[in-house]
Amino acid sequence: QKEVEQDPGPLSVPEGAIVSLNCTYSNSAFQYFMWYRQYSRKGPELLMYTYSSGNKEDGRFTAQVDKSSKYISLFIRDSQPSDSATYLCAMTRGGGNKLTFGTGTQLKVEL
Amino acid sequence: EAQVTQNPRYLITVTGKKLTVTCSQNMNHEYMSWYRQDPGLGLRQIYYSMNVEVTDKGDVPEGYKVSRKEKRNFPLILESPSPNQTSLYFCASSLSRGEETQYFGPGTRLLVL
Repeated sequence: QKEVEQDPGPLSVPEGAIVSLNCTYSNSAFQYFMWYRQYSRKGPELLMYTYSSGNKEDGRFTAQVDKSSKYISLFIRDSQPSDSATYLCAMTRGGGNKLTFGTGTQLKVEL
Repeated sequence: EAQVTQNPRYLITVTGKKLTVTCSQNMNHEYMSWYRQDPGLGLRQIYYSMNVEVTDKGDVPEGYKVSRKEKRNFPLILESPSPNQTSLYFCASSLSRGEETQYFGPGTRLLVL
């Protein structure tokens, strides 16, 4: 079993829809949770960063962490075609320990 | 401009021919890391370095070497490449730790015949 599981998609939604992307994990020691966005033929870029449990909002993006269920989510409101990309969750224990990524979910937002 | 650069961007080589992929960052970051990205497997960490002369293994270090002699550079060395090392490679850096924002390079696509 992988430490981090993520549905690869592809996920196709109409413009303006609310998108929900999710990851589950098995290592209860993970403390830092991140979402990276990767456009085709580019390196990933950090989108959201959360420490421990709770919600964090940044514009149209909301990151949620539920440590009791070992489940993290990224919500995108009013999705745009420019949101079409692969979204990777990542997490770590911190303190210099390695970062573990999910396999990524491919999202396509259609006009 | 703050950035992570990798060279070469594309490389085709043959089994057993030693190669080096360079990585350089201009942000004075202490933490640097190498990843490979494969379909269905996502990004997997190969090696990381928390500072000069300090390196540690990630998830998939077999067949790779790294060195960190200078803060800005973190080359990835394949002493004897094999076809299963055909992949997309990314270098990344962050200020001091892996849990901080990592800035990724543009990637190096490697094909080993």
